[in-house]
Amino acid sequence: DADVTQTPRNRITKTGKRIMLECSQTKGHDRMYWYRQDPGLGLRLIYYSFDVKDINKGEISDGYSVSRQAQAKFSLSLESAIPNQTALYFCATSVGANSNQPQHFGDGTRLSIL
Amino acid sequence: GQNIDQPTEMTATEGAIVQINCTYQTSGFNGLFWYQQHAGEAPTFLSYNVLDGLEEKGRFSSFLSRSKGYSYLLLKELQMKDSASYLCAVRRSDYKLSFGAGTTVTVRA
Repeated sequence: DADVTQTPRNRITKTGKRIMLECSQTKGHDRMYWYRQDPGLGLRLIYYSFDVKDINKGEISDGYSVSRQAQAKFSLSLESAIPNQTALYFCATSVGANSNQPQHFGDGTRLSIL
Repeated sequence: GQNIDQPTEMTATEGAIVQINCTYQTSGFNGLFWYQQHAGEAPTFLSYNVLDGLEEKGRFSSFLSRSKGYSYLLLKELQMKDSASYLCAVRRSDYKLSFGAGTTVTVRA
């Protein structure tokens, strides 16, 4: 079983719809992140959380919201989807600070907004 | 702000060596990571450098020069399965990662 699980893996939806992407982890990590990946742009941080109920904006948080109700779960919502939110979305986890441990990524959610 | 540059594409022959360069400018440096990402899959961790010098892990090595804002990933004895994107990521002093756009390496027989 994957340590970082994202659902759904693929989603096609229409402009204006509300969408939630789920991420759950069994690694016991405190820190969780949401990124989007677009061709030629690399991974960009949307939101991150260092603990339950802790929420921080990344570099591209507009149009998105998140919820961290439990250590193992971090969900990303698009309140009213628009076509330029079409992208590959990744959830990642990591242990706390002062560590050489990397972030661990889920398998991604491919989201298409029509 | 962050500025991380790496070549877009590289092509090499099976059995050869390829070096992927990464230059960065960042406000606060706390380590550099290299990830491998096969098409449509999750990035997976390859290496980490925080001090200057070379880190070797089997066929893969990574080098860092903090004064020059420069790193490279060296892939030796290339195999077909090494065809993938390679992502350079700089960890800032606030422990967030900033990623380069990635270098797509194609290994030819």
